[in-house]
This record gives sequence, structure tokens and C-alpha cells, in this order.
Amino acid sequence: KQEVTQIPAALSVPEGENLVLNCSFTDSAIYNLQWFRQDPGKGLTSLLLIQSSQREQTSGRLNASLDKSSGRSTLYIAASQPGDSATYLCAVEAAGNKLTFGGGTRVLVKP
Amino acid sequence: NAGVTQTPKFRVLKTGQSMTLLCAQDMNHEYMYWYRQDPGMGLRLIHYSVGEGTTAKGEVPDGYNVSRLKKQNFLLGLESAAPSQTSVYFCASSETSQSSYEQYFGPGTRLTVT
Repeated sequence: KQEVTQIPAALSVPEGENLVLNCSFTDSAIYNLQWFRQDPGKGLTSLLLIQSSQREQTSGRLNASLDKSSGRSTLYIAASQPGDSATYLCAVEAAGNKLTFGGGTRVLVKP
Repeated sequence: NAGVTQTPKFRVLKTGQSMTLLCAQDMNHEYMYWYRQDPGMGLRLIHYSVGEGTTAKGEVPDGYNVSRLKKQNFLLGLESAAPSQTSVYFCASSETSQSSYEQYFGPGTRLTVT
């Protein structure tokens, strides 16, 4: 059974510092990995999707890497801003387009 | 283009009551999903549908039923609510099962069972 873990569960950084969020998964037979952002009381917003054949994806200040063989993905957010404060979730897709989610990392960026 | 919408946004039920959560998408997506999210945990898949008229069980299906009579709608039913079903419920949809298609999520329904 696929298990997805995100460590740390919470992270606090001063504004301007780079954020590094980690995601690990136990079964490397995945189709893709997605990073989501969730604001308090809101739904999920997709940030980046990395297909299993890709090593990384970039969007603005966000960069996500994927190492399937070691079961790891890292989300980098450059020059963090208070508006980046949210919970970040990673999820892996296996057969049947079913996502398995990690527990999330709650990020606070202090002004 | 509203994306994925959910009705209602909030609901309080007493143990044993029943209710139906409605999810609608206007993107002509084939796949639809129902997840629940509990405090400190990620989302867990309850049921999903790969097309109109089809449904399948996810990771935590017990106590829930679903129906997909129309392509754009996916209903989640609780026949006899229990306090353990207090959670936030999210609906999602995606185009196909191919790896390049991401899932789009609704805003969630916060359900409390007393």
C-alpha cells in the first residue's frame, strides 16, 4: 500500500528565506506527483504536477523535483513572502488516477 | 466556468440522520472523486467514478454511497450519519486517467455529526 509522508508537519521562516518542503513515498510505481496549496478553510489549489518521466517542474518562484527511485520529492519556494503561508500537500498518483496524499506541511512566513 | 462546486458548504447532523452532498463540475471531466480530510491528515479517497453511470470504492468507503447519474454531477450520501463522519469533504474531477492530467478540487463541505 502506498504511503506518503511529509516532514516537517509545520515550518516557520522569516520573510525572504527560501522554503524547502519534503515529500516521501513508499512505492515508486507512480504516474505522477502533485503539489497542492491549501489555505485555511479552503479547498486545494494545484501548484505543480510532475510526471513520472520528469525530474523537475518550475512555475515562477516554485520548483519541484522528483526522484522516483528514492521515493522523494522536494518543493522549493524561493524568497518566501507572508502570502506563501498555507498548508502544502503532496500527492502521488498510481493506477486508476487515484491520489494518495501526505499529511501536509503547515508553513508560516513571518514578516 | 465555475470549475468544481459543492453544496452545501456547511451542515450539522444528528447521529442517525441522512444527507446528500452534491458535487458539480462544468469542465466535461470524465473522472470525479470524493475525499474526506480530518485534522492533521491528508485527504483520503472515499469513492470515485470513471464516467457517467459508474462508481468504485476508494480507501474509506464504509458508511457512504455515491451515484453518478449525470456526467457533471457526483453525489455522496450518508444514510445514517455517525460522529466518526465529522470531517471536511472535498470533491474533485479530472479529464482522464492519463498521467498528465491534474485533479481540480471544490471548496469543501464541512460536516459535523453530533
